[in-house]
Amino acid sequence: ELKVEQNPLFLSMQEGKNYTIYCNYSTTSDRLYWYRQDPGKSLESLFVLLSNGAVKQEGRLMASLDTKARLSTLHITAAVHDLSATYFCAVDFTSGTYKYIFGTGTRLKVLA
Amino acid sequence: NAGVTQTPKFQVLKTGQSMTLQCAQDMNHNSMYWYRQDPGMGLRLIYYSASEGTTDKGEVPNGYNVSRLNKREFSLRLESAAPSQTSVYFCASSPTPDYEQYFGPGTRLTVT
Repeated sequence: ELKVEQNPLFLSMQEGKNYTIYCNYSTTSDRLYWYRQDPGKSLESLFVLLSNGAVKQEGRLMASLDTKARLSTLHITAAVHDLSATYFCAVDFTSGTYKYIFGTGTRLKVLA
Repeated sequence: NAGVTQTPKFQVLKTGQSMTLQCAQDMNHNSMYWYRQDPGMGLRLIYYSASEGTTDKGEVPNGYNVSRLNKREFSLRLESAAPSQTSVYFCASSPTPDYEQYFGPGTRLTVT
């Protein structure tokens, strides 16, 4: 069964703290994506990770991919309130047929 | 450049009624997708179109049909709406299947 699991599902953290969101998936894939969704809004692409060992950084967010461990992480450095949102990872399981599976999301709340 | 647009934004249907959700993109993307988002379940792929003239089933296609009308437009039809189809529907597009996806604003559908 194709599965994508994120943890934690909910995360409440203080401003200035660091934290990591984990995305595990069940079967081999070389393509993983991170998206952000603000409440009541659409999804916005954050990162595209296309190979083992890929690391991307944008501002206070850094994403990495370990295809051998079937694991991606989204690391938050010195969180600020504006990062409060729901973060989704998505995995493309089948090259060429686009079975695109989203994780259930991590709802992040950064407290001032 | 409007990106991905969806109509309508909100819709209430009675059980058994039919309707079509419209999606258009002006980015000259080849691939288009329909998702539904339910609380606590992330996004699930309903149908996708890898390129103009092709469509294929995603994770949850039952109860839906799609039409790739041309390169710009991809519609989703509910032939006989059921309460289980109450959800937020998102359309997305991408230049190629291994690229990040760009999402529309969503349609909030309630079936009573």
